[in-house]
Amino acid sequence: GAVVSQHPSRVICKSGTSVKIECRSLDFQATTMFWYRQFPKKSLMLMATSNEGSKATYEQGVEKDKFLINHASLTLSTLTVTSAHPEDSSFYICSARVGQGNYGYTFGSGTRLTVV
Amino acid sequence: KQEVTQIPAALSVPEGENLVLNCSFTDSAIYNLQWFRQDPGKGLTSLLLIQSSQREQTSGRLNASLDKSSGRSTLYIAASQPGDSATYLCAVNGNNRLAFGKGNQVVVIP
Repeated sequence: GAVVSQHPSRVICKSGTSVKIECRSLDFQATTMFWYRQFPKKSLMLMATSNEGSKATYEQGVEKDKFLINHASLTLSTLTVTSAHPEDSSFYICSARVGQGNYGYTFGSGTRLTVV
Repeated sequence: KQEVTQIPAALSVPEGENLVLNCSFTDSAIYNLQWFRQDPGKGLTSLLLIQSSQREQTSGRLNASLDKSSGRSTLYIAASQPGDSATYLCAVNGNNRLAFGKGNQVVVIP
């Protein structure tokens, strides 16, 4: 089946530094990828939609200068958390559509970011 | 805006019992609905995908039904096992975006 590989699985960084999270589609081409953030006991919150070769579309309230998204190829999308602060600590998950027509979604394994 | 509600939020059942997890949504204009499983600290694993034209989907011990007109879906897990312990998420696909519920946290007691 369609697999999205996400790395790293967990990262601890100092406040003020930047962290990059990668998502790769392993056996299919993902023209569109989605980035979510998940808070404890909360629904997944869509942050942005990244399209290969074009700018990402951010959801309302998400700072595009803080959460930089790059989708330079059909198999790779990256999320960079810039100048991270403790409040950015969270679980980040990427996703991609699978199939044509009435499609489903496949998700990466998630990244636990802790900013100290 | 699509609102997705999952009831109950948490439940514990003895091994062998059948599980019934409920999902309701407010906007019936959907493409499909997908059930996922999430283990602690992990990503989402797709369990079943039901198209808007379908009434149910089955995979092994799992069966999901969809009543689009009433905005409801139910996930049935037969003969539960301790390995079924996880959080189950319902995601409604409409207008090219997924709307998630908060999940049903399930514990199956050996």
